[in-house]
Amino acid sequence: QQQVKQSPQSLIVQKGGISIINCAYENTAFDYFPWYQQFPGKGPALLIAIRPDVSEKKEGRFTISFNKSAKQFSLHIMDSQPGDSATYFCAASIFSGGGADGLTFGKGTHLIIQP
Amino acid sequence: GAVVSQHPSWVICKSGTSVKIECRSLDFQATTMFWYRQFPKKSLMLMATSNEGSKATYEQGVEKDKFLINHASLTLSTLTVTSAHPEDSSFYICSARARLARSYNEQFFGPGTRLTVL
Repeated sequence: QQQVKQSPQSLIVQKGGISIINCAYENTAFDYFPWYQQFPGKGPALLIAIRPDVSEKKEGRFTISFNKSAKQFSLHIMDSQPGDSATYFCAASIFSGGGADGLTFGKGTHLIIQP
Repeated sequence: GAVVSQHPSWVICKSGTSVKIECRSLDFQATTMFWYRQFPKKSLMLMATSNEGSKATYEQGVEKDKFLINHASLTLSTLTVTSAHPEDSSFYICSARARLARSYNEQFFGPGTRLTVL
């Protein structure tokens, strides 16, 4: 059972455009939702994360929108650049007293920004 | 800050041998480390959670006798793949959760170890 569904699987955006990736989760116990960027042969790097107490979080060109009632969250990349071309993963976990527990990842989105 | 290293970055071994992968938090203490497995062009799957000084907790379907995890210190966790077989070939990635209080105590990932079993 896939607990975090991510779409689209691949995405092509023109330079300067907005890239939008969506995720939906099933486990209502999840309360920590990070997005990771991964380049080939490298480990994932945290981009931005959100908890359910807010509906939106922005850091630079990256914005997370969160809809608790719909159990959905999305990543928006503004002014997309060729250097943003990578695989993006959404994830979810339960936030315990010590921090985020083991992450459940979406299947990933291969993003290509065309010059 | 928040750098996690893995060693080796790439290993090739013969079927039936054991391979040890190290995960180190270089500039912070990690009471909890996680091990993930990633198949080519696929997502990451959580294998186990290890807490310093205690036994690892394995996810359903992960053989604890095959994937031995040791978290001996606040900066080091090791994953040993015992009696490796070709189906164990994969990209193994660790992450470490900082001990000190910060905004989300998020996980920082290592660069991964590519294991190829012949």
